[in-house]
Amino acid sequence: AQKITQTQPGMFVQEKEAVTLDCTYDTSDQSYGLFWYKQPSSGEMIFLIYQGSYDEQNATEGRYSLNFQKARKSANLVISASQLGDSAMYFCAMRELPGGGADGLTFGKGTHLIIQP
Amino acid sequence: NAGVMQNPRHLVRRRGQEARLRCSPMKGHSHVYWYRQLPEEGLKFMVYLQKENIIDESGMPKERFSAEFPKEGPSILRIQQVVRGDSAAYFCASSGTVGSYNSPLHFGNGTRLTVT
Repeated sequence: AQKITQTQPGMFVQEKEAVTLDCTYDTSDQSYGLFWYKQPSSGEMIFLIYQGSYDEQNATEGRYSLNFQKARKSANLVISASQLGDSAMYFCAMRELPGGGADGLTFGKGTHLIIQP
Repeated sequence: NAGVMQNPRHLVRRRGQEARLRCSPMKGHSHVYWYRQLPEEGLKFMVYLQKENIIDESGMPKERFSAEFPKEGPSILRIQQVVRGDSAAYFCASSGTVGSYNSPLHFGNGTRLTVT
């Protein structure tokens, strides 16, 4: 089973509208972190926001917020007042406590967001 | 620039040649991760290293690929006898904290390898 599922391969949104990018995850760990990264066409990976499994409040960073629903295992990214510069690939990722192996990130396949003027 | 530095940014190799990708982690970070991104895909974990140690290489192809992180100098991902299927973007990330699920990985800008 996939650990991170992003069901929206692509989205078109009008400028200034809010947009929600979906992410569901699968883990049996109690302690884990959820991350969103933005990858513009230039290719770099930009860290946007983090949510810990024990955090009771949804994370917010400027126009980004994370809608964390632990029981449903979802961690959707919400971008308010979208801008043309938000057009990019967005990746949801999870980091679990190490179990003798890598403690890096597991990524979803991404959502390609296009903001239209 | 105190971020993760990768070079070269673009690398073109003919089939059968060797590719060497370099990564200098953020200052103070001693954990390095390599990821590969195929077109239209997310990043796939390849290998996790600490200084002079490979901690987990479960994502590395068994042949032609190797990685090191020497005591001095950058981490190197080496691909011998490249084939067209090796064409991808290779990202390096670093972390200062091991075993911490609440620390983001900081990525370099990637090396885009094209095999002709």
